[in-house]
Amino acid sequence: GAVVSQHPSWVICKSGTSVKIECRSLDFQATTMFWYRQFPKQSLMLMATSNEGSKATYEQGVEKDKFLINHASLTLSTLTVTSAHPEDSSFYICSAAQGAGANVLTFGAGSRLTVL
Amino acid sequence: AQTVTQSQPEMSVQEAETVTLSCTYDTSESDYYLFWYKQPPSRQMILVIRQEAYKQQNATENRFSVNFQKAAKSFSLKISDSQLGDAAMYFCATQRYGGATNKLIFGTGTLLAVQP
Repeated sequence: GAVVSQHPSWVICKSGTSVKIECRSLDFQATTMFWYRQFPKQSLMLMATSNEGSKATYEQGVEKDKFLINHASLTLSTLTVTSAHPEDSSFYICSAAQGAGANVLTFGAGSRLTVL
Repeated sequence: AQTVTQSQPEMSVQEAETVTLSCTYDTSESDYYLFWYKQPPSRQMILVIRQEAYKQQNATENRFSVNFQKAAKSFSLKISDSQLGDAAMYFCATQRYGGATNKLIFGTGTLLAVQP
C-alpha cells in the first residue's frame, strides 16, 4: 500500500533557528501533499496545500514567511519552520494522495517539534 | 466553507460491546466525501471508513459501519464487537469531491476508551 515517510520524527531546536521537516511518498507519486498541525489533544488543522512545481496554498492565518513549503518533486515536500519560537512547538503531519484527483490520503507518522 | 462537529469529546465502551460515535457536518458542496480516521497513541492517522455522499448505501468495513443521513448532515460511526485495539482518537472529516485532490477538514475528535 501507499506509504508516506516523515523525517525527522522528533526534533528539538533553540529559539531563533530554522527546522526542516521532510515528507516523502515512498512508493507513489504525489502531485499534492498537505501539511497539518496538531496541538496536544486537539484536532488536525490544515496549514497549507503543497502542489508539485508550484507555490503552496496557505490557509488563512498561516504565515507564509514563517512556514516555508517546497514541493520540488513528485515524491518530496518539505516544511521549514523559520526563526522558530516556543509557540511553534507542535506536532506536524503531512499527507499525500496517490495520483492526481485521488481522494484517499495517506498520512505520515508526524514530526514532533520542540522549540526551547 | 466546510465544518465538522463531533459533540462527544470522550466515549467509553466495554470490550465486545458496540459503540456509536457522532458526527455532524456542514458543507455547501453538492458532492463530497466523508471519512472516519483513527489516531492511536502512536499518532499515526489510519483510515477507518469512507463514504461517498452521492451513495445512499451506508459504507461498512468489517466491524465498522456508518449511518449516513444526508439530509440531516449526520455521519455516525458504529464499532461492533469492540476490541482493546480500537482505543484511539477518532476524527470525522469531510472532503470536497472532484477536480484536484482536495483537503480534508477534520472535526475535533472523540477519544474512545475500551474497557476490558
